[in-house]
Amino acid sequence: ETGVTQTPRHLVMGMTNKKSLKCEQHLGHNAMYWYKQSAKKPLELMFVYNFKEQTENNSVPSRFSPECPNSSHLFLHLHTLQPEDSALYLCASSQVQVGTSSYEQYFGPGTRLTVT
Amino acid sequence: TQLLEQSPQFLSIQEGENLTVYCNSSSVFSSLQWYRQEPGEGPVLLVTVVTGGEVKKLKRLTFQFGDARKDSSLHITAAQPGDTGLYLCAGEVGGGSNYKLTFGKGTLLTVNP
Repeated sequence: ETGVTQTPRHLVMGMTNKKSLKCEQHLGHNAMYWYKQSAKKPLELMFVYNFKEQTENNSVPSRFSPECPNSSHLFLHLHTLQPEDSALYLCASSQVQVGTSSYEQYFGPGTRLTVT
Repeated sequence: TQLLEQSPQFLSIQEGENLTVYCNSSSVFSSLQWYRQEPGEGPVLLVTVVTGGEVKKLKRLTFQFGDARKDSSLHITAAQPGDTGLYLCAGEVGGGSNYKLTFGKGTLLTVNP
């Protein structure tokens, strides 16, 4: 596997279900991100992990719970979601270096989530 | 909150035509990135521009960063069907734990054969 992988690629879940999205990066990066992409809206940054520590929680509802067990893996745990949470969830990684200002993002293919 | 406005929102052209898409903001960014996203895939980085007034070329694609680092443009020469996709710009501010990346809504480009 190369780059950033995400599983599953598609997920349909009911509002009472609990599911998890998985992301793995094979690039040796030290930062990972969760984004939400909805129709007619800009990409929304949800969570940032630098060196496995969460450094950003962009006012995301508690029904989304991230987990970063190591620098290569990132999870997004989902429970009691709402239909408006249906979207493409993208994972990304980057290499954060002191003294540089550009953190280029490498994205996975995304998980298309539908909440019924 | 830094907002990035991209225009046009949709663009449909014939193969061989030239086009320019724009990314504008009232905020200053330390750098700006352009991505292309194809259906069913995540965005792929095309270029990063850092210096005001900078111009970068990637084959038939020319990227320009405004002098004040508030806006950018992407010009495609002799567009091909393979250029079809959603073009996203993203502005960076801060660094380290204060790093933020703000995306525009994108320009959806369709190049017809």
